[in-house]
Amino acid sequence: GAGVSQSPSNKVTEKGKDVELRCDPISGHTALYWYRQSLGQGLEFLIYFQGNSAPDKSGLPSDRFSAERTGGSVSTLTIQRTQQEDSAVYLCASSFSFARTSGNEQFFGPGTRLTVL
Amino acid sequence: AQKITQTQPGMFVQEKEAVTLDCTYDTSDPSYGLFWYKQPSSGEMIFLIYQGSYDQQNATEGRYSLNFQKARKSANLVISASQLGDSAMYFCAMRLYGGSQGNLIFGKGTKLSVKP
Repeated sequence: GAGVSQSPSNKVTEKGKDVELRCDPISGHTALYWYRQSLGQGLEFLIYFQGNSAPDKSGLPSDRFSAERTGGSVSTLTIQRTQQEDSAVYLCASSFSFARTSGNEQFFGPGTRLTVL
Repeated sequence: AQKITQTQPGMFVQEKEAVTLDCTYDTSDPSYGLFWYKQPSSGEMIFLIYQGSYDQQNATEGRYSLNFQKARKSANLVISASQLGDSAMYFCAMRLYGGSQGNLIFGKGTKLSVKP
């Protein structure tokens, strides 16, 4: 079946502009996660959804970042008034229900490379 | 604090030899899972292997095995018979099952280079 898809694959924007990143999870996966990977670094957790709810938004770097998920499926990550330090690869992942207490590996999308000029 | 440590920024291995990538973790939660992911230069994150904290035996998946030493809080990845296609970044990650957090906590990764 289809894996996690993300769009766009690349986004170049000017400082101060807003951007929207999209994630389409694997069908049947109720949990969805957003991570950020800066050049040569590990992954930084941003936010996760169980269904349409995001119980913990503390990983979002600033109030310029927001995310939503509708219909328990597609999610969008919005960055307002982008800054150069927002440049990174934004990765989305999905898994079976968050409540599953064993295994529950996350399957990642190909990522969106964001460049803020 | 929950943390994953990968102390080897880069590793070299000769093709067809085995290699061990180190990972230590820190948590007081008794229920957790440990994951290894591979990230080739293309950027995709590929799940390799999983070990649960209550699993009695070390996990194995083909050429990958996880050397789980719970008392030492280590979860090293062993790749047997290395292939050129194994050249990539490898990330160790942990997920806690006891709380409300569902995210994976990642280490900084190890870059593996397989030499012909």
